[in-house]
Amino acid sequence: SQKIEQNSEALNIQEGKTATLTCNYTNYSPAYLQWYRQDPGRGPVFLLLIRENEKEKRKERLKVTFDTTLKQSLFHITASQPADSATYLCALGYSSASKIIFGSGTRLSIRP
Amino acid sequence: EAGVVQSPRYKIIEKKQPVAFWCNPISGHNTLYWYLQNLGQGPELLIRYENEEAVDDSQLPKDRFSAERLKGVDSTLKIQPAELGDSAVYLCASSGTGEEQFFGPGTRLTVL
Repeated sequence: SQKIEQNSEALNIQEGKTATLTCNYTNYSPAYLQWYRQDPGRGPVFLLLIRENEKEKRKERLKVTFDTTLKQSLFHITASQPADSATYLCALGYSSASKIIFGSGTRLSIRP
Repeated sequence: EAGVVQSPRYKIIEKKQPVAFWCNPISGHNTLYWYLQNLGQGPELLIRYENEEAVDDSQLPKDRFSAERLKGVDSTLKIQPAELGDSAVYLCASSGTGEEQFFGPGTRLTVL
């Protein structure tokens, strides 16, 4: 079965620096990969989607890369702010079945 | 636009009791999902509906869990009888024509 690995330990970053989160997967590559943000006590919120034929996607201070050879996606937050502190989940999507499989998430903490 | 609505937000019951969760998706979204999320883990799919049809319920423990989505709009997830291991957050999500999923705030279930 598919296995998704995200940084298991919390990531602590100084405000203003770039935060980089990793999502690795085994076995077959997904048709697309999504990143979600989740705050305590709330449901995940969609951030970005990148397809298997795309190398990079950007949205404001966010950037996602997708390397199907390495079976890895990197999620970057530039000029990080304390308000970016949250848990970030990657999710792999397969074909048009609308089914996605979530990783366990990485907790990001931005200190002032 | 209203988001995904879930109720109740919190529920505490004793083991062997029944419990039900309700979800109202975003208007016009045909696809509805129920997820289970344990602490420190990503959401795990329990069941996915396309309109009123359950198209993926392979992860739903059918001996005690049941779900329905009459008329293809709101949905109810039921557990009967509840077990200690069912304590978790139950998330509902919906999606329209794209792959992005919109999540509700979740119901935190505690089974004593």
